[in-house]
Amino acid sequence: SYELTQPPSVSVSPGQTARITCSGDALPKQYAYWYQQKPGQAPVLVIYKDSERPSGIPERFSGSSSGTTVTLTISGVQAEDEADYYCQSADSSGTYRDVVFGGGTKLTVL
Amino acid sequence: QLQLQESGPGLVKPSETLSLTCTVSGGSISSSSYYWGWIRQPPGKGLEWIGSIYYSGSTYYNPSLKSRVTISVDTSKNQFSLKLSSVTAADTAVYYCARLDSTTLDAFDIWGQGTMVTVSS
Repeated sequence: SYELTQPPSVSVSPGQTARITCSGDALPKQYAYWYQQKPGQAPVLVIYKDSERPSGIPERFSGSSSGTTVTLTISGVQAEDEADYYCQSADSSGTYRDVVFGGGTKLTVL
Repeated sequence: QLQLQESGPGLVKPSETLSLTCTVSGGSISSSSYYWGWIRQPPGKGLEWIGSIYYSGSTYYNPSLKSRVTISVDTSKNQFSLKLSSVTAADTAVYYCARLDSTTLDAFDIWGQGTMVTVSS
């Protein structure tokens, strides 16, 4: 089955830049999406279609794609950004079918 | 503002069927712009997509769960439902329902708060 691979954890000091990667063989052909999840809360979409930011998401969140890897970048990290981040993509055409999530990355703000 | 709310038993016995319902309020489940999905998260673990449904009834399931999953929609009640059969302790998780915007975002943009389901005798 198709897999998306994320590092288990990333640590960064406040004000610095955090980069969280997600790797998968189908990523050159399929968009990636990023969700932020804080403890006890439902996930929140922070990036869609590789690099687009939904309304209400701070500009410090950005996404990029290169080959089989997509990256979520958080510039000027704030304490409130400490959370788990999940990438998501699809194994075939259409996000409504064959949805896959990465294993998640815990972002720690030191 | 559209909201989703999961409901159903919080405790299910092993080998039985887990049944959950997601009620959509503040909008119509019959919109052609959206799919509706179920995602679960075992305690301390990551997200797992269970399946998605369109208002017409078309369904898409995670291959690893397909033999045990049924997702259905009731447009008259603005609800969609999940049934997972032959459950084991491994099915213990928080179960989320979510809306997938298939036009602009192409992503799960609105989520329910989640409901914890424990499989135990």
